[in-house]
Amino acid sequence: KQEVTQIPAALSVPEGENLVLNCSFTDSAIYNLQWFRQDPGKGLTSLLLIQSSQREQTSGRLNASLDKSSGRSTLYIAASQPGDSATYLCAVEDFTGGGNKLTFGTGTQLKVEL
Amino acid sequence: AAGVIQSPRHLIKEKRETATLKCYPIPRHDTVYWYQQGPGQDPQFLISFYEKMQSDKGSIPDRFSAQQFSDYHSELNMSSLELGDSALYFCASSLGYSGTQYFGPGTRLTVL
Repeated sequence: KQEVTQIPAALSVPEGENLVLNCSFTDSAIYNLQWFRQDPGKGLTSLLLIQSSQREQTSGRLNASLDKSSGRSTLYIAASQPGDSATYLCAVEDFTGGGNKLTFGTGTQLKVEL
Repeated sequence: AAGVIQSPRHLIKEKRETATLKCYPIPRHDTVYWYQQGPGQDPQFLISFYEKMQSDKGSIPDRFSAQQFSDYHSELNMSSLELGDSALYFCASSLGYSGTQYFGPGTRLTVL
């Protein structure tokens, strides 16, 4: 059974810092890995999707890397801003039980302070 | 671009009542997934459908059932509601059973 772990569970940084969020998964037979942002009580906003054949993806101040063989992904946020405060979830998509599904990590709660 | 539509956005029910959540996938998407996110929890996969057939099943209680219709929209039926069913229910859709999943805004169900 796929298990996804995120470290740290919570993070508080001053504005402007560069930061790294970590995600690890137990089964490397994945189709892709996706990073989401979720504001309190709100829906899931997809940030970056890395296909299993890719090593990294970039969007603006965000960069995500994937090392499938070691079961790890990192999300790098450059020059953090208060508006980046949210919970960040990574999810891996694999094919078990007859269909694709996403297995989510427990998230990193980020607070960027002025 | 058209996104996944979920209705209703908010729903309040009493214990032991029934609820029906609806999901309208992105046009031409033939696969629908349902996820449940309890308070402070990560989303958990419930069930998925591909071309109107159930393709996978996760931790979905026996009190819940779902189906996908000929127009590819899906409904999640929940009976004998319990307090623990209070959660945010997400629907996602994809083109093909291995396509990228796109999420709807969710339905917040509160059971009193």
